[in-house]
Amino acid sequence: GAGVSQSPSNKVTEKGKDVELRCDPISGHTALYWYRQRLGQGLEFLIYFQGNSAPDKSGLPSDRFSAERTGESVSTLTIQRTQQEDSAVYLCASSLALQTYEQYFGPGTRLTVT
Amino acid sequence: AQRVTQPEKLLSVFKGAPVELKCNYSYSGSPELFWYVQYSRQRLQLLLRHISRESIKGFTADLNKGETSFHLKKPFAQEEDSAMYYCALRSTGNQFYFGTGTSLTVIP
Repeated sequence: GAGVSQSPSNKVTEKGKDVELRCDPISGHTALYWYRQRLGQGLEFLIYFQGNSAPDKSGLPSDRFSAERTGESVSTLTIQRTQQEDSAVYLCASSLALQTYEQYFGPGTRLTVT
Repeated sequence: AQRVTQPEKLLSVFKGAPVELKCNYSYSGSPELFWYVQYSRQRLQLLLRHISRESIKGFTADLNKGETSFHLKKPFAQEEDSAMYYCALRSTGNQFYFGTGTSLTVIP
């Protein structure tokens, strides 16, 4: 079937605006993860969902970041009042369950804050 | 604090030569470690995990708890191995920590 999809693929926004990034996981995958990758850096873990629940939100960089998941399917990562340091590629991944180790990654959303 | 270190940003080897991509970690508990790979214009994908002790595409990685290392090795590099490689650690809290990656180039 289809893999993990993310939209938009690219987003350019002005500093101070809000943005919403979307992730559609593989159907049936109960676990979903969000990462941020700044230029030249590794993946920074943001948050994971088990079903619709996010047990630990401590990885979110600031209170401007929030994420939700509905229907054990699509997830949205929202960044309010964007700052230039939010510029990065945001990656989403899903796995069949938390206990399964293989994460399937989406293509990412490249966010540029001007 | 949990941390994964990949000391080499870039690594070049000749085709047929052995290759080793280094990964060191710090973690207070019992770690679960992985190698992920990203080929050009493709998505990040799992290469192997230490629990399975498997060999994928000729690559192996052994967890050395004494040296807190999980180096990725292949005896004879191939051109198609050229890619970005990330070492990752999964915590007991289900958080994943990735290294900064090593870009491997296999020279024909």
